[in-house]
Amino acid sequence: DIQMTQSPSTLSASVGDRVTITCRASQSIGPWLAWYQQKPGKAPKLLIYKVSSLENGVPSRFSGSGSGTEFTLAISSLQPDDFATYYCQQYTSFTFGGGTKVDI
Amino acid sequence: EVQLVESGGGLVKPGGSLRLSCAASGFTFSTYSMNWVRQAPGKGLEWVASINSGSYYIYYADSVKGRFTISRDNAKDSLYLQMNSLRVDDTAVYYCARDHSVAAAGYDYWGQGTLVTVSS
Repeated sequence: DIQMTQSPSTLSASVGDRVTITCRASQSIGPWLAWYQQKPGKAPKLLIYKVSSLENGVPSRFSGSGSGTEFTLAISSLQPDDFATYYCQQYTSFTFGGGTKVDI
Repeated sequence: EVQLVESGGGLVKPGGSLRLSCAASGFTFSTYSMNWVRQAPGKGLEWVASINSGSYYIYYADSVKGRFTISRDNAKDSLYLQMNSLRVDDTAVYYCARDHSVAAAGYDYWGQGTLVTVSS
C-alpha cells in the first residue's frame, strides 16, 4: 500500500502568514492527490484535487503543487477561518496522510 | 442541494455487528461512486471502502477486509456498510462521501457522520 506522510504534524502561525504543508508518498502517485480541511466536529471539506485544481468556492489563497511523490498545500495569507486540520489523500489506493493541525 | 445523511451508529460489543446507512439526495445517486471514511476519536481520517456506481468495483482497506461489506441500492438512493466481527479499534465516526464529478478527484460531498462505539 502507498503510505502518505504529512509534515509538519502541527504548525503554529499567525493571521497573514504564508504557510505550507508537505505530503510525501511512498511511491509515485501521478496527479492523483487531493487536500481537505477539517474543523473540529465537522466533516472534511475538499479544497484541492488533482494536485492543483481548486474546488469550487474555495478561496484563491489556497493552492496546491507538486508531482510524483512530493506535494505541497500553500495558504498565501492565513485567515482566522483557516485554523483547522489539513489532510492529503492519494487517489490510487485512497489512503490519507496523518494530518497537519494549523493553530495560532 | 446535495445531502448525505448517515444513520445506524451506536454502541455494540466486541464481536458484534452493525449496519450503517447513508441516504443520498440532491443528485443522481446512481451515477456516482461512493465511499466510507472513518475517524477514530482524536485521530486522522482513514479510508474504509469504496463502491462504483454499478457495484462492480468494490475496494476495502486491509483493516476491514473480510469483516465489512459495502453495498448500495440505487433504487433507494442509499449506501450501506455492513460491519461484522467488530473490534474496539473500529470505534470511530463513520462518514459517507461522494466521489467528485471529475474522475479520481477526491470526495466533494460528505455526510455529518455517525458514531460507532465498540465496547464491552
